[in-house]
Amino acid sequence: DAKTTQPNSMESNEEEPVHLPCNHSTISGTDYIHWYRQLPSQGPEYVIHGLTSNVNNRMASLAIAEDRKSSTLILHRATLRDAAVYYCILRGSNSGGSNYKLTFGKGTLLTVNP
Amino acid sequence: GAGVSQSPRYKVTKRGQDVALRCDPISGHVSLYWYRQALGQGPEFLTYFNYEAQQDKSGLPNDRFSAERPEGSISTLTIQRTEQRDSAMYRCASSPPQDTQYFGPGTRLTVL
Repeated sequence: DAKTTQPNSMESNEEEPVHLPCNHSTISGTDYIHWYRQLPSQGPEYVIHGLTSNVNNRMASLAIAEDRKSSTLILHRATLRDAAVYYCILRGSNSGGSNYKLTFGKGTLLTVNP
Repeated sequence: GAGVSQSPRYKVTKRGQDVALRCDPISGHVSLYWYRQALGQGPEFLTYFNYEAQQDKSGLPNDRFSAERPEGSISTLTIQRTEQRDSAMYRCASSPPQDTQYFGPGTRLTVL
């Protein structure tokens, strides 16, 4: 599985934007970039995913570098409820492979200060 | 609607006992996954079902671990002759085919 690298932890202030980086230099052409987050004492939840173009949804934005070797999850206005571990995961699109499973790293622990 | 449910939420057992962990997926989700999560780590894949067929069990640590999904809905993960190293959070997820996975609250297993 292609590997991702994320900082162990980041800190933000409430109401400010947060940019969570992820490096994935060995990404293949068919790998989607997925982000999940895990709030304290809960299971992981889906945040966003993309292939090449930047993506926006109600939770966040995903900015993907032109060479696809890195990406950034953007929370436009962090709230206390956004404090969580954020996981950047590569997931293949080919149905014949093992793209069904998610390979989690250690993620980035985001702390949001009031 | 109802999300993925797991039972029991907490299980304490003595070393050597067998345990069965249950997962009730979101209605209509054909894919079901089991993961194990140690403290401070991300979830680790155990096994995957497509309907009732176990398509991948490569993540099961050893032959004491087994899983089934006989009718393509509820799944049971069974651990025989539990050991202390089996203590962890066991998480189940379900999804439509090749789609976003929805995780349950997990079962916290403690083996004494």
